[in-house]
Amino acid sequence: EAGVTQFPSHSVIEKGQTVTLRCDPISGHDNLYWYRRVMGKEIKFLLHFVKESKQDESGMPNNRFLAERTGGTYSTLKVQPAELEDSGVYFCASSQQGLWEQYFGPGTRLTVT
Amino acid sequence: AQSVSQHNHHVILSEAASLELGCNYSYGGTVNLFWYVQYPGQHLQLLLKYFSGDPLVKGIKGFEAEFIKSKFSFNLRKPSVQWSDTAEYFCALYSGTYKYIFGTGTRLKVLA
Repeated sequence: EAGVTQFPSHSVIEKGQTVTLRCDPISGHDNLYWYRRVMGKEIKFLLHFVKESKQDESGMPNNRFLAERTGGTYSTLKVQPAELEDSGVYFCASSQQGLWEQYFGPGTRLTVT
Repeated sequence: AQSVSQHNHHVILSEAASLELGCNYSYGGTVNLFWYVQYPGQHLQLLLKYFSGDPLVKGIKGFEAEFIKSKFSFNLRKPSVQWSDTAEYFCALYSGTYKYIFGTGTRLKVLA
């Protein structure tokens, strides 16, 4: 069974540019989550999808962040325009409906210069 | 508010030394607690979990953790570490709202 995959693994962009991160969850997992870790800090929840619906986006930092999950499969997280403080590692996780265990992807390291 | 604290940010040990990583949480309800590990270049992996029952939980690779409710703690232990245990360790709390609350992580380096 393939795990959660994320693309790209690294991204370096300039302040003001746009970046789109992609997450492919484990097949059949209805729940998809985005988390972010800023250097030296804890991994923080950003948002939660159930299929294509956003269930909880309380952790999204501001309206420069837009997450989508069209068709309830893969998800994208767009940052537009990127700011220096957006640098960090963005993790995606997925879980089966009704189950607590979340399976994490390897993360995308975003560096905004 | 729910929170998780990990007091040791960096730990360096020699092989065969014993390990204890601290984790304290803040939450007034029923908690589910986890330790995750991230080996260099790899995904976050679940080491062990506590939901209820025996407060001493055994996980993979010889790790164990003890849930002490009165101390709001869930410390991770291993009697004898190996070089391959070099990784970052995260304590996390799950309160049933689908999201995990993580601590800041502890980087463990084991010297061969």
